[in-house]
Amino acid sequence: DTGVSQNPRHKITKRGQNVTFRCDPISEHNRLYWYRQTLGQGPEFLTYFQNEAQLEKSRLLSDRFSAERPKGSFSTLEIQRTEQGDSAMYLCASSLGGRLQETQYFGPGTRLLVL
Amino acid sequence: KQEVTQIPAALSVPEGENLVLNCSFTDSAIYNLQWFRQDPGKGLTSLLLIQSSQREQTSGRLNASLDKSSGRSTLYIAASQPGDSATYLCAVLEYGNKLVFGAGTILRVKS
Repeated sequence: DTGVSQNPRHKITKRGQNVTFRCDPISEHNRLYWYRQTLGQGPEFLTYFQNEAQLEKSRLLSDRFSAERPKGSFSTLEIQRTEQGDSAMYLCASSLGGRLQETQYFGPGTRLLVL
Repeated sequence: KQEVTQIPAALSVPEGENLVLNCSFTDSAIYNLQWFRQDPGKGLTSLLLIQSSQREQTSGRLNASLDKSSGRSTLYIAASQPGDSATYLCAVLEYGNKLVFGAGTILRVKS
């Protein structure tokens, strides 16, 4: 257990529904990251926050995806009008934020299945 | 665009063998390289982090090397055990604070 928690751990939804995932980072960590991992592949970067500011967004993050970190603590990732191609494991990670070259600690992930 | 490749894609060895996992990356402008372990259906556990200025890191039975100029890293596992069975992921940290991952090597250690 790295100290990063994610909820829910599993989500099954029907195509077209909206879903929201939550990530709670390690308490003193300023940076928070979202990644997506499909079966048989490594995780792909989606976005990251420094405190409450969203500093980087991947082109993978279409306009159906939105991420927030309102008070610089927990973060939510919402997917609107889900599609079957959104089925994946969504991973959250956090890091201290003091130096660029530092370890990111990953949560257990939320596995999404879109039917 | 950075691309990370891991070879082999899968590996099955008898318990006690020493083994090497390979990782290559196309753009040498990286800040660091990390090796992670992922158990089925679980998140990632960081094993070793090598800064771009370093050549290797060791932790217990694990040793990772980095040759930034040639875009290569290896993870050496000594005296493998069944508990080492997992997927091993290599990732490089590049500008924008994002990790770029390879697809992983699935390791099975048979008892």
